[in-house]
Amino acid sequence: DTAVSQTPKYLVTQMGNDKSIKCEQNLGHDTMYWYKQDSKKFLKIMFSYNNKELIINETVPNRFSPKSPDKAHLNLHINSLELGDSAVYFCASSQDSRGSTDTQYFGPGTRLTVL
Amino acid sequence: RKEVEQDPGPFNVPEGATVAFNCTYSNSASQSFFWYRQDCRKEPKLLMSVYSSGNEDGRFTAQLNRASQYISLLIRDSKLSDSATYLCVVNIRDNFNKFYFGSGTKLNVKP
Repeated sequence: DTAVSQTPKYLVTQMGNDKSIKCEQNLGHDTMYWYKQDSKKFLKIMFSYNNKELIINETVPNRFSPKSPDKAHLNLHINSLELGDSAVYFCASSQDSRGSTDTQYFGPGTRLTVL
Repeated sequence: RKEVEQDPGPFNVPEGATVAFNCTYSNSASQSFFWYRQDCRKEPKLLMSVYSSGNEDGRFTAQLNRASQYISLLIRDSKLSDSATYLCVVNIRDNFNKFYFGSGTKLNVKP
């Protein structure tokens, strides 16, 4: 019944490891996003996909690679994890990436801790 | 310079109080505006969109001043359940929507 779901909810891992976070939305939306919320609670866009096509790619290390197998899924793979990657990662979706009043719906977040 | 600036608070108010939050944005090309609410360790959720003419939803009133690049949120008759962080969000659309979030203003409503 969940509109936007993410797995896992918590992820604790060692520096240097590679990990993936998965996101799925059942709202039929065309656009999906990945955001990072750091310890200061600042929510920053990382990537956005529209119908499986990458449309926003902010200045993010290339250790982060998003992948959208279909418009309902947007996964995030992170290579060679660093301490500074520790944060909460939120997936979101919206109906129309061009609509001026586009509302985003967020997943519950993945709390990543790199040791 | 951040795209969206907010007073982080916290604002500590008694139940029943009226409280106002302000937000400024730097890019005059910003096209749409929102307030989101985020509870502790939860995801952000849309509270309301903000329109040029101002809009009201129950106890919540949002105002936009494009000339001053300023957005406000007024909460009347505060409830304990209003305790949360309120995020100001602006949308700058080039070919696609790009949303910029403020760092949030924390509100604590006390009995």
